[in-house]
Amino acid sequence: QQQVKQSPQSLIVQKGGISIINCAYENTAFDYFPWYQQFPGKGPALLIAIRPDVSEKKEGRFTISFNKSAKQFSLHIMDSQPGDSATYFCAARSSNYQLIWGAGTKLIIKP
Amino acid sequence: DAGITQSPRHKVTETGTPVTLRCHQTENHRYMYWYRQDPGHGLRLIHYSYGVKDTDKGEVSDGYSVSRSKTEDFLLTLESATSSQTSVYFCAISAQGQISGANVLTFGAGSRLTVL
Repeated sequence: QQQVKQSPQSLIVQKGGISIINCAYENTAFDYFPWYQQFPGKGPALLIAIRPDVSEKKEGRFTISFNKSAKQFSLHIMDSQPGDSATYFCAARSSNYQLIWGAGTKLIIKP
Repeated sequence: DAGITQSPRHKVTETGTPVTLRCHQTENHRYMYWYRQDPGHGLRLIHYSYGVKDTDKGEVSDGYSVSRSKTEDFLLTLESATSSQTSVYFCAISAQGQISGANVLTFGAGSRLTVL
């Protein structure tokens, strides 16, 4: 009930392509869904976030798509660039306001 | 990393020895957190603090203790380190407890601990 399942574990995309990372959850009480980006040797940093009353949120090349009925949300990176190579984590906020994290996706963008 | 300093950044120790990791913030944020990051598990909350001397357990608190005697410092102690505690430890801060777009969870650069 408290899990957030993230896939794929790793992803290789050509430069200019679309990167898609998916997350699924079970607990309908989750009410805030952020994505964090982490570069090697650094801590995660907030990238973009969405609330469940919105089906899509876009910030530049990054878009979150949210499907409340399916309890799934995904991160789309358009025109992927080598600088986007990082590990991406989805998360969900639980009723005690703490974040439950997905396992992470290592994204490699090939030039 | 937004006014958060973790020390040491790297440490190798032996099973059974005590280890203390330090997190220092200059943001004057009320909430501080310790997470561990392991492959296949994402980030898991160990302990968090909501004020000086006010702390609570997270989902993986066994084998860890914390202390917060000043707003800016949050210490994580492994009383007797085990190999299962080999991990990368991240400190994070937030102004409020309810994480949201306006109340961002901000992380330090991490401390890599190896227990032999």
